[in-house]
This record gives sequence, C-alpha cells and structure tokens, in this order.
Amino acid sequence: DAGVIQSPRHEVTEMGQEVTLRCKPISGHDYLFWYRQTMMRGLELLIYFNNNVPIDDSGMPEDRFSAKMPNASFSTLKIQPSEPRDSAVYFCASSPPGQGGNQPQHFGDGTRLSIL
Amino acid sequence: SQQGEEDPQALSIQEGENATMNCSYKTSINNLQWYRQNSGRGLVHLILIRSNEREKHSGRLRVTLDTSKKSSSLLITASRAADTASYFCAPATSGSRLTFGEGTQLTVNP
Repeated sequence: DAGVIQSPRHEVTEMGQEVTLRCKPISGHDYLFWYRQTMMRGLELLIYFNNNVPIDDSGMPEDRFSAKMPNASFSTLKIQPSEPRDSAVYFCASSPPGQGGNQPQHFGDGTRLSIL
Repeated sequence: SQQGEEDPQALSIQEGENATMNCSYKTSINNLQWYRQNSGRGLVHLILIRSNEREKHSGRLRVTLDTSKKSSSLLITASRAADTASYFCAPATSGSRLTFGEGTQLTVNP
C-alpha cells in the first residue's frame, strides 16, 4: 500500500515568497495532521482535519500559515509570506477512522523547507 | 496538552545489548504510543498500549505501562545497528491529537 506522500521533499526559497506544501494521505484514512519539526522546538502539531474539516488549528503559528483539505485525498499547507524562521521539516500524517488519538498515525517523509 | 517526556535523551550501546527507554506523562490517558524516526525520515508507529494494558510485545519490542506512576518503558532486545534512531512516546488523551516529546536518540554500535 502507498504510504503518505508529501511533495516536494526539499524546498529552498527566498524570504517573502509563497510556499505550498502538499500531502496525499493514505486512502481510507479520515484524519490528517500537519506537524513541524525543528531542533529547538521538537515536533509540533500545527493543525489537523477530520473528514476534510479543520478541527484544531491552535498550533498554527500565525496568519501567514494556512491549510486546506479540499477532498479526502489531498491537503496543502501554505506559508505566505515566508520568513527564515519558518525553516523546518514539515510532516503530514494520516490515521484511520476511529478517534484519532486511539489510532496509529502514519507519517510521510516530510518536506525540508529552507527559507533564505 | 499531554506531552510525554523521554529519558534518557541519548543512549549508546553495543550491538546485541538491550536498550531501555522511559517515558513519563502527567495526566490520565487512553493509550500511549511509541514511534521511531530514522534520520531524514518520517516517524514510524511501533506499538500502541491501551490504558488497561500493562505489557505488550511486538517482535523484539516490549512496552510496559504503569498508569499509577504515569510512566511507560520501551525495551528493545538484542539490538542491531539498524535500530539506531530517535524514539518518541506520545500519550493520547480523549482527543485526537498526539503530543510528542523530545525523544531518545539511540545509537547502536556495530
């Protein structure tokens, strides 16, 4: 079975540019999570969706960040405008039906984002 | 939110030895999950133990849970160089989110 697919794997861009990260969850999973990982702050949950609806976006750092899930097989995380402090590895994860915390999460291999 | 705290932060052992990592948390949980992360990769789910379970096995992995002490341990037996990775615990409460700790960096030397 295909796992969670993220693209791009690496992104290098200049400060002020718009960045769009993409995620395809595992088919049949109805929870989707976006995380950010840095050395300083570890792995932080940014936002999660259930059945394409955002449930908790309290981890989104500021209005420059937005996430959408237009359908069950696709989600985007957008940063506009980007800043050097947004440099991190961004992970997408999905989990099967059932309350999300009671199911294992399946992670993609992440997007390594560098903002110059 | 509930966050697990792993201990030790780093562990270095020889191949064939056992590795034990500990996790502590603060409030009541529904379950606790352990994950592994290899360098440059996403997290991989290892094992989920429910609050009414005390011990669970999966291959060379053994997880224990003590809800009275709010702690869990992950034991990897007969370690291999390929077990070198970071290991994270994630206590789960009634909601759907998991909060990961800083992790234990395990190095298994050949």
